[in-house]
Amino acid sequence: DQQVKQNSPSLSVQEGRISILNCDYTNSMFDYFLWYKKYPAEGPTFLISISSIKDKNEDGRFTVFLNKSAKHLSLHIVPSQPGDSAVYFCAATNSGTYKYIFGTGTRLKVLA
Amino acid sequence: KAGVTQTPRYLIKTRGQQVTLSCSPISGHRSVSWYQQTPGQGLQFLFEYFSETQRNKGNFPGRFSGRQFSNSRSEMNVSTLELGDSALYLCASSLGSNNEQFFGPGTRLTVL
Repeated sequence: DQQVKQNSPSLSVQEGRISILNCDYTNSMFDYFLWYKKYPAEGPTFLISISSIKDKNEDGRFTVFLNKSAKHLSLHIVPSQPGDSAVYFCAATNSGTYKYIFGTGTRLKVLA
Repeated sequence: KAGVTQTPRYLIKTRGQQVTLSCSPISGHRSVSWYQQTPGQGLQFLFEYFSETQRNKGNFPGRFSGRQFSNSRSEMNVSTLELGDSALYLCASSLGSNNEQFFGPGTRLTVL
């Protein structure tokens, strides 16, 4: 039962353009969402998060959008840079469960 | 501030053996979570500890166990290893619920 889904296993984007990574979830009890970036041979690195009381959170080139009615969140990277090439995971949790559910990841390739 | 450290980084075992992996969280972090990452499966939640208490666990067989010590360091143990246990095991620490998790580099376990 995959409660958090990233349906695009890979994405290629030209340098300078926008990268949009998508994530869908099924559990309406999730109230906190996070995005992580992972390079090979390293652990995931936290990028940005959003609480369910918000619909947008911005941090520099990274913006996360949350659509609760559609149970959908997305990560926008503008402008995309070659160093952004990595695997991106979205994660969700229900406060008090102490359990984060991760998606299967999307491999982003930013072409120079 | 030192990051999350995991030892060993690489491990090769044979079927039927047992293994113990270690994780030292960021100083001041009392929550430690463990994940299994396999190709195509993303990060699968194993368990979470806080102040030496397991607060949640994922859907893994009883061969997977863990513990946390008073200094917040954590260990996970896998007994009677199977080929399918070959994976990257990641440890993450955080201050508590609804906080970003900081990941270690992982332990790559290969079962032959």
